[in-house]
Amino acid sequence: KAGVTQTPRYLIKTRGQQVTLSCSPISGHRSVSWYQQTPGQGLQFLFEYFSETQRNKGNFPGRFSGRQFSNSRSEMNVSTLELGDSALYLCASSPGGTSGATDTQYFGPGTRLTVL
Amino acid sequence: GQSLEQPSEVTAVEGAIVQINCTYQTSGFYGLSWYQQHDGGAPTFLSYNGLDGLEETGRFSSFLSRSDSYGYLLLQELQMKDSASYFCAVNSKLTGGGNKLTFGTGTQLKVEL
Repeated sequence: KAGVTQTPRYLIKTRGQQVTLSCSPISGHRSVSWYQQTPGQGLQFLFEYFSETQRNKGNFPGRFSGRQFSNSRSEMNVSTLELGDSALYLCASSPGGTSGATDTQYFGPGTRLTVL
Repeated sequence: GQSLEQPSEVTAVEGAIVQINCTYQTSGFYGLSWYQQHDGGAPTFLSYNGLDGLEETGRFSSFLSRSDSYGYLLLQELQMKDSASYFCAVNSKLTGGGNKLTFGTGTQLKVEL
């Protein structure tokens, strides 16, 4: 099976702009989670989507949003970019399901976002 | 809240055995996962412990003690390619269903000749 794919791999934006990142999960996986990785804060959970619904959300401001499509592909949007949003944004897919508590999450290569 | 602690850096020689410890404080604990990440790469799943005890996968083993809120990753027969960051992560069940991973700060493993 093909792994998790993310596009684009690299992005450079300026403060105030918005950005949309895309993630295609492993075929058959229905849950997509997004994480932000920075040197200072490490890996932090943004949100999780399952069956086109945001099922869980981390502690990030409302500028961070996402959605999931019927084919399980997911997009993440960051509006009004700030310098501190520069990070590696990772998505992870897992089979999902009504519980899914022990599902292993498989990560994509990430999108490296630089905000100038 | 949730917190995980692991050493920031470990150095070992090729062919040796190294153990990376992880202690955690968390609610809604379901299990402990381990991920490897090379510079510029994606975290790669290594192992998961949902129950107490040892899980072995090739050269890698992982251990969990739920009563001690402690786990470790054991890497045997170290190779140069094992130089990477290793993260422990707590799988916790969320009220909406599904789970999230809360990551430790990572241990940078350097394998030397």
